[in-house]
Amino acid sequence: QVQLVESGGGLVKPGGSLRLSCAASGFSISDYYMSWVRQAPGKGLEWVSYISATSSYRNYAVSVKGRFTISRDNAKNSLSLEMNTLTAEDTAIYYCARGGSGTHIDYWGRGIQVTVSS
Amino acid sequence: IQMTQSPSTLSASIGDRVTITCRASENINVWLAWYQQKPGKAPKLLIYKASNLESGVPSRFSGSGSGTEFTLTIGSLQPDDVATYYCQQYVNYWTFGQGTKVEIK
Repeated sequence: QVQLVESGGGLVKPGGSLRLSCAASGFSISDYYMSWVRQAPGKGLEWVSYISATSSYRNYAVSVKGRFTISRDNAKNSLSLEMNTLTAEDTAIYYCARGGSGTHIDYWGRGIQVTVSS
Repeated sequence: IQMTQSPSTLSASIGDRVTITCRASENINVWLAWYQQKPGKAPKLLIYKASNLESGVPSRFSGSGSGTEFTLTIGSLQPDDVATYYCQQYVNYWTFGQGTKVEIK
């Protein structure tokens, strides 16, 4: 069955960096757009970024553009999110998701906590 | 594109018919999905392309609408339906509604 498992979260100081990873199983990510969605404590869902199947297209929310970089390794069936210059406003649960431009999300990971605090 | 859901919170009795509305700030045709999120869990897809029921989702859930106004209906509210529901447009990047929390009265 389809599974998405995030890793790499944790506590980081303001201005710091963190790299999230998402390991996919049960399907080949090379056939799909993949995305990251986040949810701040007690808040709603916010799209962060998505990447096309061949990495040709990458799009970012305004709130993270220039600080976050999405990438994928189709051979390893994995997705990554490099996060730099983190602020308290980036504190959230980050979800890896299958889907992207012009499509809905049909599978979600369980999410990983990222906390930015001194 | 802004997505606005109403109400923000809804309290209803078991067996009630429940309707949640989602309005888009511009025409999104039928490119709308609905998700259910239970506390501490990841969201789950219920409806895509405005009215298509995802496989395995109970038939008491239904979606309708096009253009700028959409609805999610729970035909007969069950205890397992206690959750927050989000709409999402996917015609131009992605935007989510702010969520509707459904409680049992």
